[in-house]
Amino acid sequence: QQQVKQSPQSLIVQKGGISIINCAYENTAFDYFPWYQQFPGKGPALLIAIRPDVSEKKEGRFTISFNKSAKQFSLHIMDSQPGDSATYFCAASPGFQKLVFGTGTRLLVSP
Amino acid sequence: DVKVTQSSRYLVKRTGEKVFLECVQDMDHENMFWYRQDPGLGLRLIYFSYDVKMKEKGDIPEGYSVSREKKERFSLILESASTNQTSMYLCASTQTGTGEVETQYFGPGTRLLVL
Repeated sequence: QQQVKQSPQSLIVQKGGISIINCAYENTAFDYFPWYQQFPGKGPALLIAIRPDVSEKKEGRFTISFNKSAKQFSLHIMDSQPGDSATYFCAASPGFQKLVFGTGTRLLVSP
Repeated sequence: DVKVTQSSRYLVKRTGEKVFLECVQDMDHENMFWYRQDPGLGLRLIYFSYDVKMKEKGDIPEGYSVSREKKERFSLILESASTNQTSMYLCASTQTGTGEVETQYFGPGTRLLVL
């Protein structure tokens, strides 16, 4: 019930393409859904986050789509760039400042 | 900018050794977390702390303990290191929000190899 399932495990996208990473959860008590981005040798950093009362949030080239009834959410990266190459983690919060993380997606954007 | 520092980037230890991983944050955050990161498993919570001298078990606390004697410092202790504790260890901190979930700020990680 505390799991967040993330797919795909790895993704290769051409420069300028759209990268899509999907996550699913079971626990309806989750109330906050962030995405973290991690570059090699660095810790993860918050990229974008959404609450379940909205279906979409956009920040620049990054968009979260949220489907509450399906218990799914996804990250879309428009016009993907080589600098976006990183590992992306979805997460969900059961409260008390805790996060449950997905298993991660390694994105490679080819020039 | 929030800064979370971890005492070592790389550590090599022998099976059975006692290992200390240190984490310091400079933003007066109340909450601190220790995760381990393994390929294909993501980040898994080991322990967290809401305040000085307070600690709570996460999802995988077995084989680990923690110490928080000062607000800015959170230590992870491997009482008797084993090879299955070879991993990347990440520390994070966050302030206590007013009902909101706050951003977790991560350190750069410590890659531990247990031989």
